[in-house]
Amino acid sequence: DGGITQSPKYLFRKEGQNVTLSCEQNLNHDAMYWYRQDPGQGLRLIYYSQIVNDFQKGDIAEGYSVSREKKESFPLTVTSAQKNPTAFYLCASSPGTGFDSGANVLTFGAGSRLTVL
Amino acid sequence: DAKTTQPTSMDCAEGRAANLPCNHSTISGNEYVYWYRQIHSQGPQYIIHGLKNNETNEMASLIITEDRKSSTLILPHATLRDTAVYYCIVRGFNAGKSTFGDGTTLTVKP
Repeated sequence: DGGITQSPKYLFRKEGQNVTLSCEQNLNHDAMYWYRQDPGQGLRLIYYSQIVNDFQKGDIAEGYSVSREKKESFPLTVTSAQKNPTAFYLCASSPGTGFDSGANVLTFGAGSRLTVL
Repeated sequence: DAKTTQPTSMDCAEGRAANLPCNHSTISGNEYVYWYRQIHSQGPQYIIHGLKNNETNEMASLIITEDRKSSTLILPHATLRDTAVYYCIVRGFNAGKSTFGDGTTLTVKP
């Protein structure tokens, strides 16, 4: 079945350490996204990528970095510069951003929960 | 993308219709309305989307006002499994960003 796989599901990190969250999709989607969700709140966009080797900052990109070397993969690195990294991280993809409204339908992964000790 | 406003929470009796409103008064002509829901600690799930005509699928119906400034998601026969946070967002063509607000927490009660 096609979908989005995020790993790890749970991750613990010591302060000052970088950590990388994996996101892989086999949907042949062009666009991929990373969101952060804090308890009781909505989703905030960290980074997004509309095509391989290109990505843009979202609303809360500080302290995070991404790469898009392959269409299927969009890993997120939470750096030590992120002041409050404990959160639920969600990866999503969409077919593209074309003129078909269906191109903008997002498919989400199951999420990765990061806890900083 | 236009901003949306939703009530923080709503209750619904099991078996009754759940009507979830969303205001998007700054929506522009090429922006669609999308609805998602998130069951606790899971990734959001797509429900339905529309431009200006009413839409229906196996999960829900979407009613968009004629001026397109608001919409209502209708779950015709709510079940306990429909308890979730429901998000309304608007997106246009070539829209890289999708901004989610805090959504509406729907609680379906027996």
